[in-house]
Amino acid sequence: DQQVKQNSPSLSVQEGRISILNCDYTNSMFDYFLWYKKYPAEGPTFLISISSIKDKNEDGRFTVFLNKSAKHLSLHIVPSQPGDSAVYFCAATYSNTGNQFYFGTGTSLTVIP
Amino acid sequence: KAGVTQTPRYLIKTRGQQVTLSCSPISGHRSVSWYQQTPGQGLQFLFEYFSETQRNKGNFPGRFSGRQFSNSRSEMNVSTLELGDSALYLCASSLGSLGLTQYFGPGTRLTVL
Repeated sequence: DQQVKQNSPSLSVQEGRISILNCDYTNSMFDYFLWYKKYPAEGPTFLISISSIKDKNEDGRFTVFLNKSAKHLSLHIVPSQPGDSAVYFCAATYSNTGNQFYFGTGTSLTVIP
Repeated sequence: KAGVTQTPRYLIKTRGQQVTLSCSPISGHRSVSWYQQTPGQGLQFLFEYFSETQRNKGNFPGRFSGRQFSNSRSEMNVSTLELGDSALYLCASSLGSLGLTQYFGPGTRLTVL
């Protein structure tokens, strides 16, 4: 049972525009969420996280939004750059059970120069 | 600080054999988690070790096992390999406090023939 879902397998965006990657989850106990970026032949790289006590977190060009009532989070990348082309995974956990993270299936982002 | 290292990077085995993968966490990190990544399935949580004890376990058969040593290095073992075990196996480490960010190694690509 996939508790974290990324329903868009791929996304293409023009350089300089906004990229919006979406993620839905089913478990209301999740209280910590993360986004990872993955290049081929490398392990995922941590991008940004958000706790359930917040609804927004920013780090440079990356902003994560959390809508707890909709069980939905999104990652905004502004402006998008060709180097952002990668597979993006969202992940969730409930922090009182140790480091067991649930990952989505990923969205492949292509930024077109 | 050196990142998470995994050995070997690539491995080819035949059905019925067993395999051991190794992971060295970031210095000071006490939690090590293992994930299996297959196409279309995202990252599936195998288990997490903290201070040489298995703290969490995912929904995988008993053929998948692991252990952690006193220096926090971890090994994962898969016995009686099946074709479906072909995957990228990723190790991630974190400081160990509940719900903190995990940092991934490059993975071991296992092919079962």
